[in-house]
Amino acid sequence: NAGVTQTPKFQVLKTGQSMTLQCAQDMNHNSMYWYRQDPGMGLRLIYYSASEGTTDKGEVPNGYNVSRLNKREFSLRLESAAPSQTSVYFCATQSGRVNEQYFGPGTRLTVT
Amino acid sequence: KQEVTQIPAALSVPEGENLVLNCSFTDSAIYNLQWFRQDPGKGLTSLLLIQSSQREQTSGRLNASLDKSSGRSTLYIAASQPGDSATYLCAQETSNDYKLSFGAGTTVTVRA
Repeated sequence: NAGVTQTPKFQVLKTGQSMTLQCAQDMNHNSMYWYRQDPGMGLRLIYYSASEGTTDKGEVPNGYNVSRLNKREFSLRLESAAPSQTSVYFCATQSGRVNEQYFGPGTRLTVT
Repeated sequence: KQEVTQIPAALSVPEGENLVLNCSFTDSAIYNLQWFRQDPGKGLTSLLLIQSSQREQTSGRLNASLDKSSGRSTLYIAASQPGDSATYLCAQETSNDYKLSFGAGTTVTVRA
């Protein structure tokens, strides 16, 4: 089992460009999450999907959109990238509220 | 908005010493608390999850306690080894949603 996979691993964008970060899981988990991690700030939740067909905003949703394509896949889209979106992005999954979250390896994004 | 604080931000100990990592949270409506490990350039790995009805969880050399009344959780790592060098993050989930709030982490260095 691959667990939680993220693509790409690294990306450099120019200001104003768009891109989609992909996340897929083979763990049959209901809930999926997108976080960003910035130095000294811990992880902050961008969007989450408690179950297939639902999405909700997290702490820092501005500038992002998400799609829960099916139970396995949850994508994060930057429509017009800004330097403030330079960060490491993590996808995570969870099978239920009494269980741990499992994280992907991350995507390192630089916006110049 | 709940806040999760981890002090100190960094810690260096000689091999064999017991590690004590602290996590403070402000929201008394805690549902569970998770401890994660993060190696440089990697994703997060769940170490322990303590539900609000529990006072502690143990896994091998790791023990995590939860004191809801004081808003504190402590992660103990017995007989530290150089392989324990990593950043340790705690995260609180509250009763009314599926969201985790993370601390900024404590970076541990175990000197051989």
